[in-house]
Amino acid sequence: DAGVIQSPRHEVTEMGQEVTLRCKPISGHDYLFWYRQTMMRGLELLIYFNNNVPIDDSGMPEDRFSAKMPNASFSTLKIQPSEPRDSAVYFCASSLFLYGYTFGSGTRLTVV
Amino acid sequence: TQLLEQSPQFLSIQEGENLTVYCNSSSVFSSLQWYRQEPGEGPVLLVTVVTGGEVKKLKRLTFQFGDARKDSSLHITAAQPGDTGLYLCAGAASNFGNEKLTFGTGTRLTIIP
Repeated sequence: DAGVIQSPRHEVTEMGQEVTLRCKPISGHDYLFWYRQTMMRGLELLIYFNNNVPIDDSGMPEDRFSAKMPNASFSTLKIQPSEPRDSAVYFCASSLFLYGYTFGSGTRLTVV
Repeated sequence: TQLLEQSPQFLSIQEGENLTVYCNSSSVFSSLQWYRQEPGEGPVLLVTVVTGGEVKKLKRLTFQFGDARKDSSLHITAAQPGDTGLYLCAGAASNFGNEKLTFGTGTRLTIIP
């Protein structure tokens, strides 16, 4: 298995632009998580899905953030409009019930 | 909100030395996991502990879950440069399965050759 695949690896965008981050989880995993990591705040859970259904989005900072999981093999995290304070590394992770998470390599987002 | 405090925040030691890092919370967790993260990559799972008092060994790494399931420690014997990285503990509050993990603040470990 290729693991959790995220794209792009790096994204630089201007303030106000829409940004879409993509994730392909490990086949057969039933949970998918979106995290954001910064030096100041560490790893923060944004949202997670179980069997493609959003379970907890309480970590989503504000309405500018949205996430979808249209099928078991694909998820997106969208920021519209983006702001400089959204600059961070965004991780997607997937897991199977009761087992540890497998993280992707992350997307480093820079909003200028 | 469960908080996991890790200490020390930064640790730099010579190759061959032993070290212990700690993960503490006021909350009880059904299980606790340790991850290591290298620059430019996502965290990688090292171990999961589920029983209070449980000790697990992974080569030179020894993990312990506190009796009350509120804290954990990671001990590394004879540290090597390859052990360098960010060590994260993560606790699961749910008794029903995976659910969401709360990650600790992290310990950034540097092993000097």
